Amino acid sequence: GQQVMQIPQYQHVQEGEDFTTYCNSSTTLSNIQWYKQRPGGHPVFLIQLVKSGEVKKQKRLTFQFGEAKKNSSLHITATQTTDVGTYFCAATSMEYGNKLVFGAGTILRVKS
Amino acid sequence: NAGVTQTPKFQVLKTGQSMTLQCAQDMNHEYMSWYRQDPGMGLRLIHYSVGAGITDQGEVPNGYNVSRSTTEDFPLRLLSAAPSQTSVYFCASSYRQIYGAREQFFGPGTRLTVL
Repeated sequence: GQQVMQIPQYQHVQEGEDFTTYCNSSTTLSNIQWYKQRPGGHPVFLIQLVKSGEVKKQKRLTFQFGEAKKNSSLHITATQTTDVGTYFCAATSMEYGNKLVFGAGTILRVKS
Repeated sequence: NAGVTQTPKFQVLKTGQSMTLQCAQDMNHEYMSWYRQDPGMGLRLIHYSVGAGITDQGEVPNGYNVSRSTTEDFPLRLLSAAPSQTSVYFCASSYRQIYGAREQFFGPGTRLTVL
């Protein structure tokens, strides 16, 4: 089964609304990465989080790593049509044999 | 730099046919991997390599072979194509892992249909 659970699977928001996607694991993670895939494109790296409780920002995007290093979130403030795509988390853990395991992704659609 | 390149972009096979998906990178990355992407399943790791001459299995290796004779190239072979292998295939590369995975650079993908 899926080792990294990502929710929601799909979200459709009005332009200007906020958006959040969550990743959860039952095991302690070494690090977590976030990727964006535009429709018809390939995944593109956004950021990596390593430290417990870490928070990083990229313009309207805020990334958090949980204190227990078992969950993470990506929050987009005031979505724009350019934010459309699928957002993936990807994590490594000693329990995964240090392989990079991807979540199923959250598809974001933005209504203008 | 061309980054990660994949050929072909599209391919249609008949059940039982074999073929090789090509992947090359010019960033001198030690780590290379193959993923397949299916709706609702995310990206699932097929095989990966931590350096020339070293390969290992991922989550879904059955029906696929790989080899890594050079740092640059990491071809994926489908031995006897099945409809269940209809998918989009991505190759990715990165620098060697130190503590957890490094930033993955993905190729443009190969869209494969098996009839």
